[in-house]
Amino acid sequence: GAGVSQSPSNKVTEKGKDVELRCDPISGHTALYWYRQSLGQGLEFLIYFQGNSAPDKSGLPSDRFSAERTGGSVSTLTIQRTQQEDSAVYLCASSFLAGGADTQYFGPGTRLTVL
Amino acid sequence: DQQVKQNSPSLSVQEGRISILNCDYTNSMFDYFLWYKKYPAEGPTFLISISSIKDKNEDGRFTVFLNKSAKHLSLHIVPSQPGDSAVYFCAARTQGGSEKLVFGKGTKLTVNP
Repeated sequence: GAGVSQSPSNKVTEKGKDVELRCDPISGHTALYWYRQSLGQGLEFLIYFQGNSAPDKSGLPSDRFSAERTGGSVSTLTIQRTQQEDSAVYLCASSFLAGGADTQYFGPGTRLTVL
Repeated sequence: DQQVKQNSPSLSVQEGRISILNCDYTNSMFDYFLWYKKYPAEGPTFLISISSIKDKNEDGRFTVFLNKSAKHLSLHIVPSQPGDSAVYFCAARTQGGSEKLVFGKGTKLTVNP
């Protein structure tokens, strides 16, 4: 079946502009995660959605970052007033169930470059 | 403060030999550990995992060892193949917490033919 998809694959923007990154999780997966990987770093957790529960936003680096998940499926990560330090690969993952040993499946990522 | 550390940024081995990738962690609340493999321009793919109640898990050529007292885990690949060349990330999850994973910075493995 189809895996996690993300769009766009690459995004170049100017400092101060807003960007929206999209994630389509695997159908039927109830949990959705956003991570980012800055150059030379590991993956950094941003936000987690599970069903209708309130999202875990503890990883969002600033109030310029927000995310929503509509209809329990597609998610959009929005970065307002982008800064150069926001440049990174933004990765989305989904899993069938939260908890236990459920595997997170990752999309290919969106490479964001802020000039 | 980096809770999951992969101190070797790169590793090079010959085809057919064993590859050993190491990972150290500091948070004693971690209860589940995973290894992901990542090729360029692709997302990480799950490789193998281990619960904190075990000390070894094996899947084909891949074995993960966990030493809780040392807060250390390792991934063994034997025999190594050129297709194993990728960046390997160690990740951990906190018991009773959110399902977020805490990742190390990765080790780039190169298997030479």
